[in-house]
Amino acid sequence: GAVVSQHPSRVICKSGTSVKIECRSLDFQATTMFWYRQFPKQSLMLMATSNEGSKATYEQGVEKDKFLINHASLTLSTLTVTSAHPEDSSFYICSAIRTGGADTEAFFGQGTRLTVV
Amino acid sequence: QKEVEQDPGPLSVPEGAIVSLNCTYSNSAFQYFMWYRQYSRKGPELLMYTYSSGNKEDGRFTAQVDKSSKYISLFIRDSQPSDSATYLCAMSPYNQGGKLIFGQGTELSVKP
Repeated sequence: GAVVSQHPSRVICKSGTSVKIECRSLDFQATTMFWYRQFPKQSLMLMATSNEGSKATYEQGVEKDKFLINHASLTLSTLTVTSAHPEDSSFYICSAIRTGGADTEAFFGQGTRLTVV
Repeated sequence: QKEVEQDPGPLSVPEGAIVSLNCTYSNSAFQYFMWYRQYSRKGPELLMYTYSSGNKEDGRFTAQVDKSSKYISLFIRDSQPSDSATYLCAMSPYNQGGKLIFGQGTELSVKP
């Protein structure tokens, strides 16, 4: 299967600072990527849709000014958590969408565990 | 009511047992149904997907979709300790690679 690399896998930051998470599709181009958040023992909740070359689309209740998404190339999307607070501590996962012929498939990164202290 | 309901478990079975995992959903527009496996602190990996109703088999895994009951299942035959993971169902009205609505995930433990 295709490879999606997410970096860093784990980060601890102080309250009030910003953290950037990268999502790269290593062997295919992805016009669309998605960002999810997962709390312990909870489902993946979609935060936003990241489209290359255009503004991200945020789900209801997700603050776009807090969670900045940049999809500057067909292989890279970044999520920046600005002015992080302890309640932002979570597992953040990206997926990159590969389209080919009649098939469309989502490939997930390995996730980033963010801890805000 | 959540769009997708899944019993979080945990579910513990002996090695070799048949495992049945299930999800129910409320949105009749869902057409694509996926099962993902997630190991601890890792991203989900796709196990199987099914379009509309019916059964699909892949090795020890069988996925079933009953759209009339809004109910999907994943069966694992001859379960192995390496199957221990969290299993997430996911659904979409559009395709298997778009915006996905996930169930909570069922934590499975297969004991040797």
